Amino acid sequence: DIQMTQSPSSLSASVGDRVTITCRASQSISSYLNWYQQKPGKAPKLLIHAASSLQSGVPSRFSGSGSGTDSTLTISSLQPEDFATYYCQQSYSTPRTFGPGTKVDIK
Amino acid sequence: QVQLQESGPGLVKPSETLSLTCTVSGGSISSYYWNWIRQPAGKGLEWIGRIYNSGSTNYNPSLKSRVTMSVDTSKNQFSLRLSSVTAADTALYYCARGGGTGSGFDPWGQGTLVTVSS
Repeated sequence: DIQMTQSPSSLSASVGDRVTITCRASQSISSYLNWYQQKPGKAPKLLIHAASSLQSGVPSRFSGSGSGTDSTLTISSLQPEDFATYYCQQSYSTPRTFGPGTKVDIK
Repeated sequence: QVQLQESGPGLVKPSETLSLTCTVSGGSISSYYWNWIRQPAGKGLEWIGRIYNSGSTNYNPSLKSRVTMSVDTSKNQFSLRLSSVTAADTALYYCARGGGTGSGFDPWGQGTLVTVSS
């Protein structure tokens, strides 16, 4: 199985801040990396697929980059509705695996 | 737009079989992969497995001996059976579309809570 790690596990930020979350795979996954946002009591929402492709309807302040083993999710200017937990997930091989999540809360 | 809805018992006794169904509306089930993913309270996401409309499946090796998935294209539904459940199987169970190589899971159902308890 491909193991996914994320850093940090949590962060506190203010509205307007630039936020960066890192995801690392235990082996190369090319660009087969997806990012999700999950709010309490809700299902995860796909934000970015294939490392850098923004899902339709997702605000442009979200962006993704990376390939190989390391990927990054960036929120350019944090908005109140962005406080949530973010997960990365590899779609390179089965079993599909997720990172442990990064919780973004209000400073 | 495609919507998914999970259904099934919310309480299952230990050693029994958990059975859930996901109904797909607003689109055909006759393409894409269809997945089950679970999340214990306060914890992360675990992929259980997927089924294609042809019936071909891939399961998580950690659960493979206990998992069976099936699809009913006439009803636009797919199902999960997880046998010999224990308290460790208590979780919010989601169904989701997609997950092919290079693609993410989208959309997701709202999730259904399954508690394993006597």
